[in-house]
Amino acid sequence: GAVVSQHPSWVICKSGTSVKIECRSLDFQATTMFWYRQFPKQSLMLMATSNEGSKATYEQGVEKDKFLINHASLTLSTLTVTSAHPEDSSFYICSARDEVHYGYTFGSGTRLTVV
Amino acid sequence: RKEVEQDPGPFNVPEGATVAFNCTYSNSASQSFFWYRQDCRKEPKLLMSVYSSGNEDGRFTAQLNRASQYISLLIRDSKLSDSATYLCVVNSGNTGKLIFGQGTTLQVKP
Repeated sequence: GAVVSQHPSWVICKSGTSVKIECRSLDFQATTMFWYRQFPKQSLMLMATSNEGSKATYEQGVEKDKFLINHASLTLSTLTVTSAHPEDSSFYICSARDEVHYGYTFGSGTRLTVV
Repeated sequence: RKEVEQDPGPFNVPEGATVAFNCTYSNSASQSFFWYRQDCRKEPKLLMSVYSSGNEDGRFTAQLNRASQYISLLIRDSKLSDSATYLCVVNSGNTGKLIFGQGTTLQVKP
């Protein structure tokens, strides 16, 4: 089945630094990927839709200059959390849509802790 | 109003019990509906899609009422391994975006 690899699975960084999270579709091409954030005891909140070869579409309230998304190929999207602060600590999950089989596959998530 | 609403629970049930979860969605243009399962500190995994005619997969039965914008999941003969958070998920119109409910936590006890 479709597999999405997300890396790193966890990261601890200092306040003010930037962190890059990668999301790869391993056995299918994904023109569209989605980035979610999940705080403890809450559901997944969609942050942005990543479109291959074009700008990402951000949800209301999500700062595009803080959460930089790059989707330069059909199998890779990256999310960079710039100038991270403790309130950015969360579980970040990507999802890729398999256009051929019409399914959504999730990465295993990245647990970010900003200290 | 949230686009997808669920009772967060928790639902605490004994092994072997039957439990039902409900979900409502606000966007009448929604086209696809799913139930996902999420274990603690893990990514969500697709449990089943939900079709208008209702569908069953083993002990799990999902139903959709488009007129009422209501989705349900029934779990029969609960197992300890069913303990998880169940997420009601709706495809938001034709954008391809998945909108998640808050999730309903199920705890099955021996």
